[in-house]
Amino acid sequence: DAGVIQSPRHEVTEMGQEVTLRCKPISGHDYLFWYRQTMMRGLELLIYFNNNVPIDDSGMPEDRFSAKMPNASFSTLKIQPSEPRDSAVYFCASTANPGQGMPWGYTFGSGTRLTVV
Amino acid sequence: GIQVEQSPPDLILQEGANSTLRCNFSDSVNNLQWFHQNPWGQLINLFYIPSGTKQNGRLSATTVATERYSLLYISSSQTTDSGVYFCAVGYSSASKIIFGSGTRLSIRP
Repeated sequence: DAGVIQSPRHEVTEMGQEVTLRCKPISGHDYLFWYRQTMMRGLELLIYFNNNVPIDDSGMPEDRFSAKMPNASFSTLKIQPSEPRDSAVYFCASTANPGQGMPWGYTFGSGTRLTVV
Repeated sequence: GIQVEQSPPDLILQEGANSTLRCNFSDSVNNLQWFHQNPWGQLINLFYIPSGTKQNGRLSATTVATERYSLLYISSSQTTDSGVYFCAVGYSSASKIIFGSGTRLSIRP
């Protein structure tokens, strides 16, 4: 398996623009997580899905952020409009329900480094 | 929510030395993972260890769930071990996990 695939790797955008980050989880994993990493706040969970359904979005900072998972192999995180304080590295991770017999633990993608100027 | 504290925050060692990193958590958990974030930013899962002891090469980890702490041991350190080591905990095996602030390890040649 190619692991968790995120795109783009780097994104530079102007304040006010819409940004869409993409994630393809590992096939067979039924949990998908979006994290944000900054120097000030460390790694923060934004939202997670189970079987494509959002379970906990309490970490989404405000209404400018939205996430979708239209099918088991694809998720997006959208920021509209973007602001300079949204600059961070955004990680996607996936894992499987232990009952499915797959290895436990999260697998992270390589992240998207977002810079809003 | 669960609080996760890692110590020490920074550690500088010579190549070949051994090290012990600690993770304390504030509540009973059924999910504890150790990660290594390398200098290029990639997060690598090292162990899934809600209890007991596991070993993988020069790395081993022990979690004493009843006392709410976990230890990560690195033996015979190499420069490639440099980076930040994170502990993350959660209430159930496949639920969300909360990350500690990490231990930054620097191995000098």
